[in-house]
Amino acid sequence: DQQVKQNSPSLSVQEGRISILNCDYTNSMFDYFLWYKKYPAEGPTFLISISSIKDKNEDGRFTVFLNKSAKHLSLHIVPSQPGDSAVYFCAASGYNFNKFYFGSGTKLNVKP
Amino acid sequence: DSGVTQTPKHLITATGQRVTLRCSPRSGDLSVYWYQQSLDQGLQFLIQYYNGEERAKGNILERFSAQQFPDLHSELNLSSLELGDSALYFCASSVEARDQPQHFGDGTRLSIL
Repeated sequence: DQQVKQNSPSLSVQEGRISILNCDYTNSMFDYFLWYKKYPAEGPTFLISISSIKDKNEDGRFTVFLNKSAKHLSLHIVPSQPGDSAVYFCAASGYNFNKFYFGSGTKLNVKP
Repeated sequence: DSGVTQTPKHLITATGQRVTLRCSPRSGDLSVYWYQQSLDQGLQFLIQYYNGEERAKGNILERFSAQQFPDLHSELNLSSLELGDSALYFCASSVEARDQPQHFGDGTRLSIL
C-alpha cells in the first residue's frame, strides 16, 4: 500500500522557469515531510523538510508547501537550473520519526 | 560525498544464495537505515538501528536480517535469494534516532540471475 504517491514520473521545465513537483499522501497521522534529490549512481540527498505545524518552508530557491486538508505537498524550485535535473523523492513520517515512507520519485529535466 | 560507505557497489548472484551488504555510516552518526529500491519504485524502508539496537522495522522479509556492530557499521543479510530481490539497496545514517535519514550511501545494486 503506497502511502506516499508521486503521480508524475517526469517533468520537463525550461531553465529560469518554475518547477513544481507534487506529492500526495494518504495517512493523516503523518507529521513530518521531506524532499530528497537523487542524481544517477548516487544516493538521495536531503533537500528540505516541513513539519505539519507549518504550511510553508523556504530555503533559497526551494520552497515546500503543505496542504494538510488535501494531504498534498509540493516542492517549488525558482528559478530552475540545469543542475537541478535529478529525481526528486518526497517522504513522510509520523511524529515519532520511526518510519519514513517514500514516494516513487519524479524525474525533473531542466532544459538550458 | 555523503560520508556513508556501502560495499560492494554491485553484486551478482543466483537464486537461493545468501549475500551480505555492508554499510559504514557517516562519522558521528549513530543511526543506520536500510532501504530497498526496486525498479521504478520508491524507497521501501526495511529497518533502522540506533547505537547497536534495532529501533524500527519496516517491510523486511523474514529471509532478510540486519545488525549494527559496536563500531556502528551495519550489515544487511539476504538469504534464500529470489529473482524479486533484485534491487538497489541503500543505507542511510543520521546522528539521532529521531532524525530523518540524513546521509545516504550510493547503494549496492543486487542482481539475481
